[in-house]
Amino acid sequence: DVKVTQSSRYLVKRTGEKVFLECVQDMDHENMFWYRQDPGLGLRLIYFSYDVKMKEKGDIPEGYSVSREKKERFSLILESASTNQTSMYLCASSRSGVSYEQYFGPGTRLTVT
Amino acid sequence: GNSVTQMEGPVTLSEEAFLTINCTYTATGYPSLFWYVQYPGEGLQLLLKATKADDKGSNKGFEATYRKETTSFHLEKGSVQVSDSAVYFCALSDAGSGTYKYIFGTGTRLKVLA
Repeated sequence: DVKVTQSSRYLVKRTGEKVFLECVQDMDHENMFWYRQDPGLGLRLIYFSYDVKMKEKGDIPEGYSVSREKKERFSLILESASTNQTSMYLCASSRSGVSYEQYFGPGTRLTVT
Repeated sequence: GNSVTQMEGPVTLSEEAFLTINCTYTATGYPSLFWYVQYPGEGLQLLLKATKADDKGSNKGFEATYRKETTSFHLEKGSVQVSDSAVYFCALSDAGSGTYKYIFGTGTRLKVLA
């Protein structure tokens, strides 16, 4: 079974802190994704990566950056956390190809105070 | 651009009732279509998928048929259970611009009462 794990289920940070969210997948997937999920807005893509050291902006990249140094690991970085970044963050991975589904991690609920 | 529209919830049903959650899409290419389910406190799990027109995806009693003529992928189940209470997301994947992106609907919350 594919497993996608995220470093924390719950995280509380203060405004202005640098925050790292880590995601690891164990199925050698080429693609990895970071979304945020907010009530009424569904899932919004922040960044995705289709290869090591490659990244592309999604729909809402402002205030975020990412790092993919190894194929299995994709990190989301909030350079200076703000209260409007309080959200559920979901990581996903997939094989390359339009017919392949994504596999999701359990999510990290981040609260910025 | 590509988009997915699904019916707003919440949908509240009694146990053993018939379920339909509507989903329509717009896409320029030949997308694959998916239904995901999210149980409370968890990430999304794939429920079923269809990769070409007229394909029917099915799993755990749920079904959806890829209808190109109506650009729809409605989710159905003949008899829901309390354990089906969750949020359901319709999604498509497309290979526009050479990279694979997934577009999600906003989700439909289903509540099944005993």
